[in-house]
Amino acid sequence: AQSVTQLGSHVSVSEGALVLLRCNYSSSVPPYLFWYVQYPNQGLQLLLKYTSAATLVKGINGFEAEFKKSETSFHLTKPSAHMSDAAEYFCAVRTDYKLSFGAGTTVTVRA
Amino acid sequence: NAGVTQTPKFRVLKTGQSMTLLCAQDMNHEYMYWYRQDPGMGLRLIHYSVGEGTTAKGEVPDGYNVSRLKKQNFLLGLESAAPSQTSVYFCASSYPTSGTDTQYFGPGTRLTVL
Repeated sequence: AQSVTQLGSHVSVSEGALVLLRCNYSSSVPPYLFWYVQYPNQGLQLLLKYTSAATLVKGINGFEAEFKKSETSFHLTKPSAHMSDAAEYFCAVRTDYKLSFGAGTTVTVRA
Repeated sequence: NAGVTQTPKFRVLKTGQSMTLLCAQDMNHEYMYWYRQDPGMGLRLIHYSVGEGTTAKGEVPDGYNVSRLKKQNFLLGLESAAPSQTSVYFCASSYPTSGTDTQYFGPGTRLTVL
């Protein structure tokens, strides 16, 4: 079964600093990978997805993720954090039209 | 478009009571899903449906039942609620393509079982 592991349950960054959220996957076949964001008391919203078309994927709100097969990773980055980026972020892998989610990483942005 | 809506938003039950959570989508999506979200565990799939009249078990189906009588609706039932079912429940829907389809999520239902 395919799965994802998110390293770090909490990340705290200063406003304007780099945001780096780590996700590693296990898959025996080329995976479809997703990053979702959940703002407080809301549902999940898609940030970006890897579909094998390009290894560097750009998403909404200035986020991007790079698929590295050799490292089985799909880390999410944003060059400059904004206060509005405070949320919980989930990495997910798709198997047979079902998503398996990581445990999530909560991002706190310090002024 | 309302997208994916969930009813109710909040509910408190006593152990042993039953209830039904309603999910509705207006995007003509074939696939629908029910997840539960617990701290530190991400989202876990309870049941899903690949079309009207069909349902299947997910990762954590015990204690839940579902029905998909209409394409736009997906109901999640708890026959005899237990405190372990205290959670936030999310519904999602998608239109299947080659594996890159996006799941769209509802706002969630926060359930507390006393």
